[in-house]
Amino acid sequence: GDSVTQMEGPVTLSEEAFLTINCTYTATGYPSLFWYVQYPGEGLQLLLKATKADDKGSNKGFEATYRKETTSFHLEKGSVQVSDSAVYFCASQYSTLTFGKGTMLLVSP
Amino acid sequence: EAEVAQSPRYKITEKSQAVAFWCDPISGHATLYWYRQILGQGPELLVQFQDESVVDDSQLPKDRFSAERLKGVDSTLKIQPAELGDSAMYLCASSLEVEAEAFFGQGTRLTVV
Repeated sequence: GDSVTQMEGPVTLSEEAFLTINCTYTATGYPSLFWYVQYPGEGLQLLLKATKADDKGSNKGFEATYRKETTSFHLEKGSVQVSDSAVYFCASQYSTLTFGKGTMLLVSP
Repeated sequence: EAEVAQSPRYKITEKSQAVAFWCDPISGHATLYWYRQILGQGPELLVQFQDESVVDDSQLPKDRFSAERLKGVDSTLKIQPAELGDSAMYLCASSLEVEAEAFFGQGTRLTVV
């Protein structure tokens, strides 16, 4: 079945540092890809998405590019803020929506 | 702004008791998902509906879990009897169609004691 693998956390950064969270997927077809964010005690919020190869999703300074050749969708941000501290989930959607295990990001002042 | 409504937000129940969760999706959304999220892990799909029909319940423990969406709108997830290992966050999500963006509710935090 479809699966998503993302780097384990926690990822600990200082404010204004560069962020990369790796994500790879396996799928029988050509899925849509997503990054969701979960703040403590809350549900999941969509951060960004890409629906086909070479698409770049972006939102709030975060970016991710759909790479079919490497089956990857890595999340990046050039300068993180304390308020970005949360758990980030990579997900793929073909016939159903499948999540990775999540990566906790901790940003210190 | 339309949102997915879930209730209750928190539920504490004793093991072997029955418990039920309710979800009201965004109006017009045909696809509805129930996920279970154990602390520190990613959401795992329990059941997916398309309108009132189940399209995927392969990971639903059918000996104790049941889900229904009788009129293709709101949905109920039931556990009977609850076990200690069922303690988790139960998330409901909906989307216009299968491949569209899914919107999540706030979840129900279940604690089984």
